[in-house]
Amino acid sequence: QVQLVESGGGVVQPGRSLRLSCAASGFTFSSYGMHWVRQAPGKGLEWVAIISIDGTNKYYADSVRGRFTLSRDNSKSTLYLQMNSLRAEDTAMYYCAKAPHYGSYSDYWGQGTLVTVSS
Amino acid sequence: DIVMTQSPDSLAVSLGERATINCKSSQSVLYNSDNMNYLAWYQQKPGQPPKLLIYWASTRESGVPDRFSGSGSGTDFTLTISSLQAEDVAVYYCQQYYSIPYTFGQGTKLEI
Repeated sequence: QVQLVESGGGVVQPGRSLRLSCAASGFTFSSYGMHWVRQAPGKGLEWVAIISIDGTNKYYADSVRGRFTLSRDNSKSTLYLQMNSLRAEDTAMYYCAKAPHYGSYSDYWGQGTLVTVSS
Repeated sequence: DIVMTQSPDSLAVSLGERATINCKSSQSVLYNSDNMNYLAWYQQKPGQPPKLLIYWASTRESGVPDRFSGSGSGTDFTLTISSLQAEDVAVYYCQQYYSIPYTFGQGTKLEI
């Protein structure tokens, strides 16, 4: 069965960096695009970024472009989100999600990892 | 960016009754080349990640009960739960995947 397990969240000071990971199993990771979606406490869903199957195409929301970098290691079936220059408004649960087709909806989601940006 | 607006923000429906949630996009999400609407619906229960219910506006995901249905085209879409069950209490989101950024509606909280 498809499993997505996020890790790397925690409490970090404004301006610092954090790297999230998403370990995938139960499907051929290298054949699917992947999304990151976040949800601030008590708020709705915000799409963050998408990466193509080989990592050559990446697109970001305006709110994170230039600060966040998405990458993947298909040999390890793992997705990464490098988050730099973190701000209080980046505080959220971060979900990785599988896309059945690149540029499509998300059919499987991880349980999420919580990032709190606070001094 | 395409703005997705859901209505209502919250909804209370009796068990066994019909629930209807609307989603309107600021521009059409119907792709002319394939005549598909790039619109999905998700259900999120407290403390859980979202779960895919409907994609291509009206295709039910495998395993989703048939009381859930999606309809609409272009800019106006509807999620209908034909006979509300207790386990359907959740927040429901629509999302367009027609163009980046893949924006979500603000969510509709469904209660009994």
